[in-house]
Amino acid sequence: GENVEQHPSTLSVQEGDSAVIKCTYSDSASNYFPWYKQELGKRPQLIIDIRSNVGEKKDQRIAVTLNKTAKHFSLHITETQPEDSAVYFCAASGGSNYKLTFGKGTLLTVNP
Amino acid sequence: KAGVTQTPRYLIKTRGQQVTLSCSPISGHRSVSWYQQTPGQGLQFLFEYFSETQRNKGNFPGRFSGRQFSNSRSEMNVSTLELGDSALYLCASSLAMVGDGTIYFGEGSWLTVV
Repeated sequence: GENVEQHPSTLSVQEGDSAVIKCTYSDSASNYFPWYKQELGKRPQLIIDIRSNVGEKKDQRIAVTLNKTAKHFSLHITETQPEDSAVYFCAASGGSNYKLTFGKGTLLTVNP
Repeated sequence: KAGVTQTPRYLIKTRGQQVTLSCSPISGHRSVSWYQQTPGQGLQFLFEYFSETQRNKGNFPGRFSGRQFSNSRSEMNVSTLELGDSALYLCASSLAMVGDGTIYFGEGSWLTVV
């Protein structure tokens, strides 16, 4: 089945810096890659997603890039703010099955 | 539009008991999927239902089961509870099947097994 590896597990940045979180997946048939943000005690919320027919997608300070050949995708957050502090999960689905497989998460801390 | 609603939000059960969790999806959504979240294992897929049919199942023992009703509401059941079943159980709904569209999570049900 699909396996998603996420790095780093923790990331600490200064306010205003950029943050990058990387994920790799194993099933070359996967075609949908969402990113979720989960604040402490709250539900995961979709922040951006990308499909395999697109290489990059941006939404204000957030961008996701996808390299199908290398089977990895990354989340980029620019001009980080303290409210960006949360756990971020990447996920992959598609191909031979439609279950959503999540990475283990990255705890992002933005220091003011 | 109301979001995904899960009940109960918190519960404590004893080893060996069983538990049933309920999920009401966003109106019009036909897919409901369930996930177990623990500090050590992260978010793990349990199963997905679409139009009352289980379409996919994660790597969990048969003690974990679920069903979906004609109004798309879903329940999951865990029998013979073990200490390791303590977790946050999240339900998510989507218009289309998982992978075809955005999934929206509920607040979750916190299960503690003692």
